[in-house]
Parts: sequence; structure tokens; C-alpha cells
Amino acid sequence: DAGVIQSPRHEVTEMGQEVTLRCKPISGHDYLFWYRQTMMRGLELLIYFNNNVPIDDSGMPEDRFSAKMPNASFSTLKIQPSEPRDSAVYFCASSSTAEREGLETQYFGPGTRLLVL
Amino acid sequence: KQEVTQIPAALSVPEGENLVLNCSFTDSAIYNLQWFRQDPGKGLTSLLLIQSSQREQTSGRLNASLDKSSGRSTLYIAASQPGDSATYLCAGRWGSGGSYIPTFGRGTSLIVHP
Repeated sequence: DAGVIQSPRHEVTEMGQEVTLRCKPISGHDYLFWYRQTMMRGLELLIYFNNNVPIDDSGMPEDRFSAKMPNASFSTLKIQPSEPRDSAVYFCASSSTAEREGLETQYFGPGTRLLVL
Repeated sequence: KQEVTQIPAALSVPEGENLVLNCSFTDSAIYNLQWFRQDPGKGLTSLLLIQSSQREQTSGRLNASLDKSSGRSTLYIAASQPGDSATYLCAGRWGSGGSYIPTFGRGTSLIVHP
């Protein structure tokens, strides 16, 4: 398996523009997580899905952020409108309850580095 | 809200040295604690997971311990190598039945020089 795939790897945009980050989890995994990493706040969980259904979105900073998982192999994180303070690395991770200690064994993607000017 | 703290933020050691990375947390009712490694420009890789009922876990040259009463976990790296250079993060989980929402420390950036 190719692992968790994220695109784009880098994104530079201007304030006010819409940004869409994409994630393809590992095939067969039933949990998907979106994280944000910044120097100021470290690594934070934004939202996670189980079987394509959002379970907890309490980490989503505000209404400008939205996440969807239309099927088991694809998820998006959208920021509209984007602001400079959204600049961060966004990670997607997936895990499988079929594995031993499955939920704690999260496989991370390489991340999307977002810069909002 | 639980807090996880890692000290020091950065560490530089010569190759071959044994070293200890520290992780502290504010709530002793921890469900499990996990150590990760993050290489520059990449995601996190899980190293060791310690459940609340366990005292330590070992994998190769790595040993992680958990002391709930003192709110501390340590990651011991034996005979460090330049390839161990990376950022090491710890993450705790709390909540009955296990919450899947981890709280991460800021990490310790480790450099092992030849």
C-alpha cells in the first residue's frame, strides 16, 4: 500500500481565497483524522471520521473550516475564506479497528504545508 | 483540559550516548501514552504505546516508561545514532473507555552528531 496520500504537498494562497486539502486513507481503514501543526500550538486534532461519518469536530477552529468524507477512500478539508493565521502543516491520518491497538496506530500522511499571504 | 509538556525542546548529543526524553502530563487518569517520531517534512510514525496498566514498553534500542502517579513518561534511547535525529512527540489519551482524541506535547528536537 502507498500509505496515506495527501495533496497538494504545498499550497500558497492569498487571504480570502478558498483552500481545499485532500486525503486518501489507507485502503480498508475505517477511521480518518485531520490534524493541524503550528509552532505556536503544536499538533492539534481538528476532526475525525468513522466509516465516513464525522464523530468529533470539536477541534475545528471556526465555521470557516469544513471537512467531508464522501466515501471510504477520500476526504477533504476546506477553508473558506482563508486567513494568514491558518498557515500551518495539515496532516491526515488513518487507522483500522481490525488491527491490534488499531485506533492508536494511526498512519500519518506527509502533510500539506499551507501558507496564506 | 489535559496538558502534555515535553522538556527540553531541543537536545544535541554525540553519537553513542544514552539519552532520556521527558514527557509530563497534568491528569494522572491517563488511558494510554504514545511516543512518536517526526522527521523533517514528514508525518508522524508511532514508536511505542503504553497502556495505563503497563509500566513500560520496549522496541529495540527504545524503552518507554509510564508513571501515572507522578504524571511522567520517559523515552530512553540507548547508544544513540545520527539516524535517530528527529523530533520526538508524546501524546496522551484520557476518558473512560478510551478517547481517540490525543493531546500532544510540542516535541523534543533531537540531533545526534557523529
